[in-house]
Amino acid sequence: DADVTQTPRNRITKTGKRIMLECSQTKGHDRMYWYRQDPGLGLRLIYYSFDVKDINKGEISDGYSVSRQAQAKFSLSLESAIPNQTALYFCATSDPRTGGETQYFGPGTRLLVL
Amino acid sequence: ILNVEQSPQSLHVQEGDSTNFTCSFPSSNFYALHWYRWETAKSPEALFVMTLNGDEKKKGRISATLNTKEGYSYLYIKGSQPEDSATYLCASPIIQGAQKLVFGQGTRLTINP
Repeated sequence: DADVTQTPRNRITKTGKRIMLECSQTKGHDRMYWYRQDPGLGLRLIYYSFDVKDINKGEISDGYSVSRQAQAKFSLSLESAIPNQTALYFCATSDPRTGGETQYFGPGTRLLVL
Repeated sequence: ILNVEQSPQSLHVQEGDSTNFTCSFPSSNFYALHWYRWETAKSPEALFVMTLNGDEKKKGRISATLNTKEGYSYLYIKGSQPEDSATYLCASPIIQGAQKLVFGQGTRLTINP
């Protein structure tokens, strides 16, 4: 079984709709992240959380919100989806106790906003 | 903002040939340099994390070097195979009271049989 899972894997929605992308992990890591990937660009950080009570904005947080429901769960919401939020979204986790703090990625959610 | 740059953006290599590509990053306040391999329809997977100037890491036919003084890392693939086709991402953390990885745009490697 995958250590980091994302649901849904693919989603088509319309402009103005609210949607939620979910991430769950069984790695026992405190740190979780949400990234988006657009063609020709690297992964860009949307939000990150270093524990259940800690939420921080990344470089492109406008139009997004997050919820850390438990150590294992970190959800990303688009309050009112717009077409330029069409992208591939990745959730990741890390453990600060490991040297260098490798990040472990989920399989991604491909989102299309019409 | 910390800029992490990768070159080239894409690369086509004949099977059996060796290749290398570059990740550059600001050398001030260096903490670590990550390399990830991202195959199509899969999630990025960690290859290496390097922290010390002069570090060399190896995993099978893939190796990486690090020069923190001049701000670059090289990834080498020896004897390329079709299964090496992937996008290779490098990333470096920002330290501003908390760690955040900044990713380069990736090098997309295609191995031609």
